[in-house]
Amino acid sequence: KAGVTQTPRYLIKTRGQQVTLSCSPISGHRSVSWYQQTPGQGLQFLFEYFSETQRNKGNFPGRFSGRQFSNSRSEMNVSTLELGDSALYLCASSLYGVNTEAFFGQGTRLTVV
Amino acid sequence: AQTVTQSQPEMSVQEAETVTLSCTYDTSESDYYLFWYKQPPSRQMILVIRQEAYKQQNATENRFSVNFQKAAKSFSLKISDSQLGDAAMYFCARCTSGTYKYIFGTGTRLKVLA
Repeated sequence: KAGVTQTPRYLIKTRGQQVTLSCSPISGHRSVSWYQQTPGQGLQFLFEYFSETQRNKGNFPGRFSGRQFSNSRSEMNVSTLELGDSALYLCASSLYGVNTEAFFGQGTRLTVV
Repeated sequence: AQTVTQSQPEMSVQEAETVTLSCTYDTSESDYYLFWYKQPPSRQMILVIRQEAYKQQNATENRFSVNFQKAAKSFSLKISDSQLGDAAMYFCARCTSGTYKYIFGTGTRLKVLA
């Protein structure tokens, strides 16, 4: 069974640009959540999607957005990139309805220059 | 604020010895789950162990066990017979039942000495 796949693995963008990150969950998993990991702030929850609906949202500015498609794949978008957006972005999928673990992908390392 | 605190930024343990990583949390909820995740240099977070708050019995997974003290809001991880492959960042996390919004601690870097 394939794990959670995040693409791309590495990304370099310039300030002011926008970026889209992709996450393909484990087959059958309907919940996808996103986290930002930085040395200073640690792991912070961005948002969670289930059946194409955002169920929870963390304390991030509106520049951070996401969506989930009918096949459960999810994308997150960051507009008007700032240097502080440089981070590892982790996606996790879960088998909704059973409070088991979240399975994480290997992340996308975003560097804003 | 509903936080998770890991007070040990770094720990070292001799191979084959036992080490305990500390975690405390703050919540007003009665139904939640606690987790320990491991993040090796490959960056992928891997579940080590899970504890349901409504269960009094401490979870165990092979060499890994927890000491869950609900009243004290404490959730420590004990690693027995430490192995070189256990070296990683360990994160304690909490999530409310019915959601997948994890609140993570700041992590403890575990070094295993040969």
